[in-house]
Order: sequence, then structure tokens, then C-alpha cells
Amino acid sequence: KAGVTQTPRYLIKTRGQQVTLSCSPISGHRSVSWYQQTPGQGLQFLFEYFSETQRNKGNFPGRFSGRQFSNSRSEMNVSTLELGDSALYLCASSLGGLSLLNEQFFGPGTRLTVL
Amino acid sequence: GNSVTQMEGPVTLSEEAFLTINCTYTATGYPSLFWYVQYPGEGLQLLLKATKADDKGSNKGFEATYRKETTSFHLEKGSVQVSDSAVYFCALSPDNYGQNFVFGPGTRLSVLP
Repeated sequence: KAGVTQTPRYLIKTRGQQVTLSCSPISGHRSVSWYQQTPGQGLQFLFEYFSETQRNKGNFPGRFSGRQFSNSRSEMNVSTLELGDSALYLCASSLGGLSLLNEQFFGPGTRLTVL
Repeated sequence: GNSVTQMEGPVTLSEEAFLTINCTYTATGYPSLFWYVQYPGEGLQLLLKATKADDKGSNKGFEATYRKETTSFHLEKGSVQVSDSAVYFCALSPDNYGQNFVFGPGTRLSVLP
């Protein structure tokens, strides 16, 4: 069974640009969550999508947005990039039912560098 | 609000030493607690979990007990191996409805042969 895949793995952008990251969950998983990992702030929750609807949202500005498609694949978009957006962006998928028995499986991440 | 505090690393141990990584949390309601591990160059993997007070999670020789009275979930292993070298994250899930986990800052463990 293939794991969570994220593309691209590495990305370099300049300030003011926008970027789109992609996440393909494990087959059969309907929930996709996104996290930002930085040395200073650690792992912070961005948002979660379940069945194409945003179910939870973290405390990030509106420049960070996402969506989920009918095949459960998800994209995350960051507009008007700032230097502080440089981070490892992790995607996690789970079955998504209303149960904590649904383990989150993490992808390897996309390393975004903003110059 | 919800938060997780972990002991600062890095932690360096010799092989076969006893490991404890402290984790305390602040949460409203009744969270579930988790330990995740991140090996070099890899994504996070669930190590163990506990969903209610006094539950003990265990996996690969690691254990942690959900202590509601001390709001703690300390990770322990009796005899570490070089292959346990990784970053360990304590995390909580504040409710049963989503995957909006709150993570601690992580503790880097290095085990020397």
C-alpha cells in the first residue's frame, strides 16, 4: 500500500510569489491535514479537509488556503510569500471517521525556501 | 488554550541506557495523547497513543502512561538502541472530531554505541 506522497519535495520561491503544494493520501483515506514545521515554532496545524470540506483550521493568515478534491487529494496554496513562510510543510492522511483510532500517516514533506 | 511542553534536547545516551522524555500538557476537556517519532530524512510516524486517563500506550519497547492528575505523558524505554536516534514529538488531540493535533517542540535523541 503506497504511503502519503507530497510533491514537490523541494521548492524555492521569492517573496511575493505564490506556491501550490500537493498531497496524495493513502488510498481509502478521506481526511487530509496540513502542518507547518519550522525550527522556531515547531509543528503547527494549518487545516484539515474531510470529504472536500474544511473541517478544522489553525491560526494562520488567510494567505494560507487549501482544498480537497473528490479523490481526496489535497492542495495547499500560499499567496504573497514572506521569508517567514520558509518551512517544511507536512501532509497527513487518515481514514477520517469520528474516532481517534484513525491514525494519522505523515508524508515526507515539502521543503519550501523563500528568498 | 491547548499546549504541549517537552523537555529540551538534545538528549545523548549510550546504548542500553534508560530513556525518559518528559511531556506535560494543558488542555480543555479530555484530550488524547500521542508520541510521534521522526527519523532522519523521514516523515513522522506514530509511536504510541493513549486516549483516556491511566491508559498506557506501548510500542517497540517504548511506554507512556496518561496521567491526568499531573497532566503528563512521559515517554520511557528501558534500553535504548542506536537505531532509536530520532526526534520525538509529544502531541495531543483536543477532541474526537478532527486531526488538529497540537505538537510539542520535539526532543532530539542521539544514542551512541
